[in-house]
Amino acid sequence: GENVEQHPSTLSVQEGDSAVIKCTYSDSASNYFPWYKQELGKGPQLIIDIRSNVGEKKDQRIAVTLNKTAKHFSLHITETQPEDSAVYFCAAREGNNDMRFGAGTRLTVKP
Amino acid sequence: NAGVMQNPRHLVRRRGQEARLRCSPMKGHSHVYWYRQLPEEGLKFMVYLQKENIIDESGMPKERFSAEFPKEGPSILRIQQVVRGDSAAYFCASSSGQIYGYTFGSGTRLTVV
Repeated sequence: GENVEQHPSTLSVQEGDSAVIKCTYSDSASNYFPWYKQELGKGPQLIIDIRSNVGEKKDQRIAVTLNKTAKHFSLHITETQPEDSAVYFCAAREGNNDMRFGAGTRLTVKP
Repeated sequence: NAGVMQNPRHLVRRRGQEARLRCSPMKGHSHVYWYRQLPEEGLKFMVYLQKENIIDESGMPKERFSAEFPKEGPSILRIQQVVRGDSAAYFCASSSGQIYGYTFGSGTRLTVV
């Protein structure tokens, strides 16, 4: 089955700096890669996703890149703000199979 | 569209009791997934169901845990004879199956005392 690894487990940045979180996956057939943000006491919320036929996707301050050959994908947050502080999860999925998640990255943005 | 509804939000059970967690998927979604999250840890897949069928239960413990998604009504995750190690947040997600994304509920936080 799919195995997703995520790094780093914790990340602390100064407000205004960029944050990068990286994930690798094992199943070359995976074709959908979402990123979720989980705030304290809440369920994960989808923030951006990318499909395997695209190498990069951007939505305002958030971007995701995908390298299918190397089987890794990354989340980039620019101009970080304190409200970006949360736990971020990457995931990978092949077709209609169930999603497998990384272990999460706790991002802290210091004002 | 009310999103994925989970109840109860918080559940306290004594050791040996049964816990029943409910999940109503988003309107139009027929695929339900259950995940467990321990404090400071990631989301661990438990079970994937479609209406009246268990598609993948590879992540669910063989004993004491069961799940169903009947033709009518919510999906139920049932934990019999709970132990302290069952204390966790249990999240349900749903999808349409034809759209890749999952929508998560707010979770049920189970505490076993």
